[in-house]
Amino acid sequence: GENVEQHPSTLSVQEGDSAVIKCTYSDSASNYFPWYKQELGKRPQLIIDIRSNVGEKKDQRIAVTLNKTAKHFSLHITETQPEDSAVYFCAASGGSYIPTFGRGTSLIVHP
Amino acid sequence: SAVISQKPSRDICQRGTSLTIQCQVDSQVTMMFWYRQQPGQSLTLIATANQGSEATYESGFVIDKFPISRPNLTFSTLTVSNMSPEDSSIYLCSVEREGGSIYGYTFGSGTRLTVV
Repeated sequence: GENVEQHPSTLSVQEGDSAVIKCTYSDSASNYFPWYKQELGKRPQLIIDIRSNVGEKKDQRIAVTLNKTAKHFSLHITETQPEDSAVYFCAASGGSYIPTFGRGTSLIVHP
Repeated sequence: SAVISQKPSRDICQRGTSLTIQCQVDSQVTMMFWYRQQPGQSLTLIATANQGSEATYESGFVIDKFPISRPNLTFSTLTVSNMSPEDSSIYLCSVEREGGSIYGYTFGSGTRLTVV
């Protein structure tokens, strides 16, 4: 089955800096890569996703990039704000779209 | 996206007892799943709740411990049976987003279970 590795496990940045979270996946058949944000005590929320026919996708301050050859994808957050502090999960899935999640990255944005 | 109502939001249970968690969706959905999230950990898929047939369980999860019902396309229950402290976790249901699974999945608010 699919295996998703996520790094780093913890990321601490100053407000206004950029943050990058990286994931790798094992199954070359995977074609859908969502990212979820989970604030403390709340449910995971889908914030952005990318499909295998696209190399990059942007939505305001967040962007995702995908390198299918290397089987890795990344989340980029620019101009970080304290409200960006949360746990971020990457995921990968194939034809069924059932996601396999990474272990999560705890992002801490210091004011 | 589909609106999910998950109950209870939290419970404290005695070991050896069982708890049934309910997941109600405001629209018919094909795909419905149950996840477990242990404290500070990732989301682990327990099973796929199939309408009209037995659930499909992931490796490490069995029907006797986690029986699941899915009587229709808007409702499912997960029972955590014969609980032990190791079952303390957050349990979440998940359904496809509006438009179908191609648009990913959304989660219920979760049930925080503590077994004492």
